[in-house]
This record gives sequence, C-alpha cells and structure tokens, in this order.
Amino acid sequence: GENVEQHPSTLSVQEGDSAVIKCTYSDSASNYFPWYKQELGKGPQLIIDIRSNVGEKKDQRIAVTLNKTAKHFSLHITETQPEDSAVYFCAASMGTGNQFYFGTGTSLTVIP
Amino acid sequence: EAQVTQNPRYLITVTGKKLTVTCSQNMNHEYMSWYRQDPGLGLRQIYYSMNVEVTDKGDVPEGYKVSRKEKRNFPLILESPSPNQTSLYFCASRVWDSSIYNEQFFGPGTRLTVL
Repeated sequence: GENVEQHPSTLSVQEGDSAVIKCTYSDSASNYFPWYKQELGKGPQLIIDIRSNVGEKKDQRIAVTLNKTAKHFSLHITETQPEDSAVYFCAASMGTGNQFYFGTGTSLTVIP
Repeated sequence: EAQVTQNPRYLITVTGKKLTVTCSQNMNHEYMSWYRQDPGLGLRQIYYSMNVEVTDKGDVPEGYKVSRKEKRNFPLILESPSPNQTSLYFCASRVWDSSIYNEQFFGPGTRLTVL
C-alpha cells in the first residue's frame, strides 16, 4: 500500500513568520492530497487539498504545492498566528478515494 | 447542524470485554470510515463503507468488526479488546461518488483504554 512520510514532527515559529510542512508519498497512482488541521480535543478538519493535475493551490494564508515527479507535497502557512497552533496531517488517496493514507503529523506552535 | 457524532467519547474497559463504539452522521453521506490515531503513527484506516451493506478493510482491520445496516450509522465493534487497541478512534463520512475529492468530515473522537 501507500506510504506517506511527514516532516518535521514538531515545528515552532514566531508569530508572523512562515511555516512549511513537507510530505512524501510512495505510490505514483495517488492523485489526491488533502491537508488536515487537528486542534486539541477535536477531530481533524480539512484545510486545503490538491489534485494531481494541479501544481499549486492557495487559500488566503495557506498554500499547497505538489511535485509529482519527486512524489512530494508541502503545506505553506504565511503570516502565522497563534490560532494556527495545532497538529497538521497530510494524506494521500487514489482511485475512487476509498482508502486514505496519513502522515504521522506535525505539531505546529506559533509563539506570540 | 451537520455533524458526525461518536459515543462514547471516553471508555475504559478490560481485556476481552466486548464493546461497541457508535458513529452517526446526519449529512446523508454514502461513505463512512473508521480510523485510529496513535502517537507517532498518525491516523490509520481500520474499515470503510461505501454504502449500506458495503464494507471493506482498511490498513489495520485486525481485531475490529463493522456493520452498515443503515446509511447514517457505522458502529465499530471490538469483540475481544486487547491493550494494543488502546487508542483514539475517529469516525468520518463524506459524499461518495466517482470523484474522490469530496471533503471528509470527522467526528470528535473516542478515547479507548483497554486494561
């Protein structure tokens, strides 16, 4: 099956700085890559996703890039705010999306 | 309010005592899935269901059972729980069609401890 690796496992940034989280995947058939934010005590929530036919997608302060050749994708958060502090998960899926493979998570702390 | 609900939210049990964690969604979603979350391992998929009476194994199905008799409910059954099933469990649902790009909605989680 698919194997998704995520780095770093923890990340601390000063408020206003940018944060980057990187993921790699192993199966070239994967074609959908969502990112989830998990706040303490809650379930993961989709924040942005990208399809394999797109190289980059932005939504306000959040962007995701995808390099199909290298099989990696990244989450970029600009102008970080304390409320961005959470655990972030990348994931990959293929085909009709019945199975999702998650990274191991990145705990982001934004220091005021 | 559109949501996925899970019960119980917290459960402490002993080895071998059968338990069921319920999951219900009010969004009329065809697809439902169960995940477990463990430190350092992220989320791993246990089972999923594409519609009523249609279920299939995810990555880590051993020791678990599911059923999908109604569209809104997808209970997770542990017939003989063991300590290695101590984990945080999430149920999720989404619209299922030929597109995989529909957003997956997660429940609030069930923290299970097996002694």
